[in-house]
Amino acid sequence: QQQVKQSPQSLIVQKGGISIINCAYENTAFDYFPWYQQFPGKGPALLIAIRPDVSEKKEGRFTISFNKSAKQFSLHIMDSQPGDSATYFCAASPAAGNKLTFGGGTRVLVKP
Amino acid sequence: NAGVTQTPKFRILKIGQSMTLQCTQDMNHNYMYWYRQDPGMGLKLIYYSVGAGITDKGEVPNGYNVSRSTTEDFPLRLELAAPSQTSVYFCASSSPQGASEQFFGPGTRLTVL
Repeated sequence: QQQVKQSPQSLIVQKGGISIINCAYENTAFDYFPWYQQFPGKGPALLIAIRPDVSEKKEGRFTISFNKSAKQFSLHIMDSQPGDSATYFCAASPAAGNKLTFGGGTRVLVKP
Repeated sequence: NAGVTQTPKFRILKIGQSMTLQCTQDMNHNYMYWYRQDPGMGLKLIYYSVGAGITDKGEVPNGYNVSRSTTEDFPLRLELAAPSQTSVYFCASSSPQGASEQFFGPGTRLTVL
């Protein structure tokens, strides 16, 4: 049972464009929604995270939008750069404890 | 600080062999985790630990065992390796302060032939 569904599996964007990755969850107990970035041959690293008491969080060129009623959240990468080429994972965990459920990942390629 | 370290980086096993994947963290984190990553499937939690002497199963624990004798170390044991265990294994750690950032190691790529 995949509790966090992520789409698309891959996307190609031109330098300067916007990358958009979407995630949907089922478990209403989820209370923390991080995004992880993974470069080839490396472990994932936290990029940005949001809690459901806000609808949007922005850090530099990265923005999370959160829709609690639809149980959906998305990552927007503005002004995409070739250095942003990586695999991005959304995840979710309940308020108590720290067991993350990950989406399937999106491989992003930014063409120069 | 080295963060989370894992050994070995790569390993090839024959079916039926056993091995231990090592994981060490130097951030004094109470929580530690083992994940496996398969193409297109994200990361699946195998086992986790909330402190020395305490471990619990994750989503995909079959075929694996863990122990946690110290805060720093969280080894993952594979008994009777099977081709289905071919994967990339990641160890991670985090502080116990509610939902918080997990810090990942560089991974171990395991192939079972």
